[in-house]
Amino acid sequence: EVQVVESGGGLVQPGGSLRLSCAVSGFIFNSEWMNWVRQAPGKGLEWVAIINKDGNVKYYMNSVKGRFAISRDNTKNSLYLQMNGLRVEDTAVYFCVTGRGFLLDIWGQGTMVTVSS
Amino acid sequence: DIVMTQSPDSLAVSLGERATINCKSSQSLLSSSDNQNYLAWYQQKVGQPPKLLIYWASTRGSGVPDRFSGSGSGTDFTLTVSSLQAEDVAVYYCHQHYGAPLTFGQGTKVEI
Repeated sequence: EVQVVESGGGLVQPGGSLRLSCAVSGFIFNSEWMNWVRQAPGKGLEWVAIINKDGNVKYYMNSVKGRFAISRDNTKNSLYLQMNGLRVEDTAVYFCVTGRGFLLDIWGQGTMVTVSS
Repeated sequence: DIVMTQSPDSLAVSLGERATINCKSSQSLLSSSDNQNYLAWYQQKVGQPPKLLIYWASTRGSGVPDRFSGSGSGTDFTLTVSSLQAEDVAVYYCHQHYGAPLTFGQGTKVEI
């Protein structure tokens, strides 16, 4: 059974930084793309970033380009999201999602990020 | 960016009746290389992460009941729940996995 577990969320002030982590098991981690998707309270789904299996191809949504960085460590079956220059509008639950190509497949439970002064 | 638009925003359906949700994309999701439509549907129940229901417009995900079906091609797609059950109360999202940036519809809330 595939398990996806996010961690690292919390309360941060505007302009601050946070690093999210995602641990994946029961899955051939180094064979698939991986994603971060977010959901603001009471709102819809918003894709954030994707990384290929080797970690050398990355895409981002426009509003996080230059502020967020997706990365992975295939030796640890782990995915990361470094978030800098956080804004109030980045407040959301952040989901780690396995991919089959660009298809979003298995979702973790999410980790809450709150940006507030 | 590919814009995904769902309709309606919400609908109320009686138990055992059919629910139909529409999704329109701003450009074709049909790939000429493999003749597949890169359109997926997700179900999100309250307090839970989304679950993959349908991909390639009409292929059911693992363990998804056959009362859920997807249809359509190009820019117009439909999710149908043939006989709504109480456990189907949720928000449903369409999603294009054709290319980055990946995008979602705004969601459709289905109630009894």
